[in-house]
Amino acid sequence: AQSVTQPDIHITVSEGASLELRCNYSYGATPYLFWYVQSPGQGLQLLLKYFSGDTLVQGIKGFEAEFKRSQSSFNLRKPSVHWSDAAEYFCAVGTPSNYQLIWGAGTKLIIKP
Amino acid sequence: KAGVTQTPRYLIKTRGQQVTLSCSPISGHRSVSWYQQTPGQGLQFLFEYFSETQRNKGNFPGRFSGRQFSNSRSEMNVSTLELGDSALYLCASGDNTMNTEAFFGQGTRLTVV
Repeated sequence: AQSVTQPDIHITVSEGASLELRCNYSYGATPYLFWYVQSPGQGLQLLLKYFSGDTLVQGIKGFEAEFKRSQSSFNLRKPSVHWSDAAEYFCAVGTPSNYQLIWGAGTKLIIKP
Repeated sequence: KAGVTQTPRYLIKTRGQQVTLSCSPISGHRSVSWYQQTPGQGLQFLFEYFSETQRNKGNFPGRFSGRQFSNSRSEMNVSTLELGDSALYLCASGDNTMNTEAFFGQGTRLTVV
């Protein structure tokens, strides 16, 4: 069965510091991988996606993620966080055969001034 | 281009009642998916529709149902509401294939009392 694990429920970083959010997945085939961000009381906004090709993908708001097949990981990174990045981040796996997204539990990012 | 519109944004219902939530996808999108988000269970897939056909359904009781109209607008219905149905219900629209972005609405916050 497909699954997504985000091992960190909360992460606190100082403004200006670098960020890495972890995501591990379990999926039999080559996955479609996504990172979404959710601000309080809001819907989900896509940050970036991986389908194939270059394993380092660039997204919006200065985020990037690297697909590592050997580690079944798709970690999200940002070199310097801003206070406006405080939100909850979700990693998801797309299952084309079932037309659904499987979600991680989310990581809440807290920014220290 | 207008985004995904969900109505109403907030809803309070009593146990045993039924509720209907509405989702208008982005113009031209024919796929609509529904997700339930709760603090305890996270994001869970409810169902996905394409051209008025339900292509997949998540692991929810039969009290949860949905439909899609010829203009791609979708509704989901929950009958005999339980306290545990209190959640943020998110709708996403997209193209047919999973390798494209799923655009989310802001959600409907349902509170069952």
